[in-house]
Amino acid sequence: NAGVTQTPKFRILKIGQSMTLQCTQDMNHNYMYWYRQDPGMGLKLIYYSVGAGITDKGEVPNGYNVSRSTTEDFPLRLELAAPSQTSVYFCASSYSGGYPNTEAFFGQGTRLTVV
Amino acid sequence: KNEVEQSPQNLTAQEGEFITINCSYSVGISALHWLQQHPGGGIVSLFMLSSGKKKHGRLIATINIQEKHSSLHITASHPRDSAVYICAVSTGNQFYFGTGTSLTVIP
Repeated sequence: NAGVTQTPKFRILKIGQSMTLQCTQDMNHNYMYWYRQDPGMGLKLIYYSVGAGITDKGEVPNGYNVSRSTTEDFPLRLELAAPSQTSVYFCASSYSGGYPNTEAFFGQGTRLTVV
Repeated sequence: KNEVEQSPQNLTAQEGEFITINCSYSVGISALHWLQQHPGGGIVSLFMLSSGKKKHGRLIATINIQEKHSSLHITASHPRDSAVYICAVSTGNQFYFGTGTSLTVIP
């Protein structure tokens, strides 16, 4: 059972380059999330999705785009990388609804540096 | 002000000590989560609870819904417990996260 799989684990981008962070889950979860984690800060929500074809902005969406064409996949796109996007990115998934369905499962994280 | 506040931010303990990490939250929740993050590693879920107390081995999590407060206790701490412990709450569609408590257990 793979859970949530994120790729790549590490990446260095030059300013202005673009890339896609991949996220796949095999638990048939409705809800998927992208977070960024900056030093000394709690995880901040970038985008989330409550099901295939439905996405919504989180707290810090600027500079990112997402799509959810299937239940399993939730890629995060950076179009014009900026140094402010240097961070560790986590993908997560959960079932919909309240307790006891909201346990979150996290990917291993992607450490992105923009230079 | 963050929806989730944790204390302390940093904690150093001697092996064998009893450890307590605290979490307070300000929003209505469906569940509270304790997560563990090892250096350079991913995040794993330790507990999810909405009332009372849960125990896994040497780890115990409690929650007081009326006071909007939770604690994570580690008994007989060990160097392998060194990690960042994150408190999170789930509410509706979203999770809110504390900034984490960095624990170092010295042999």
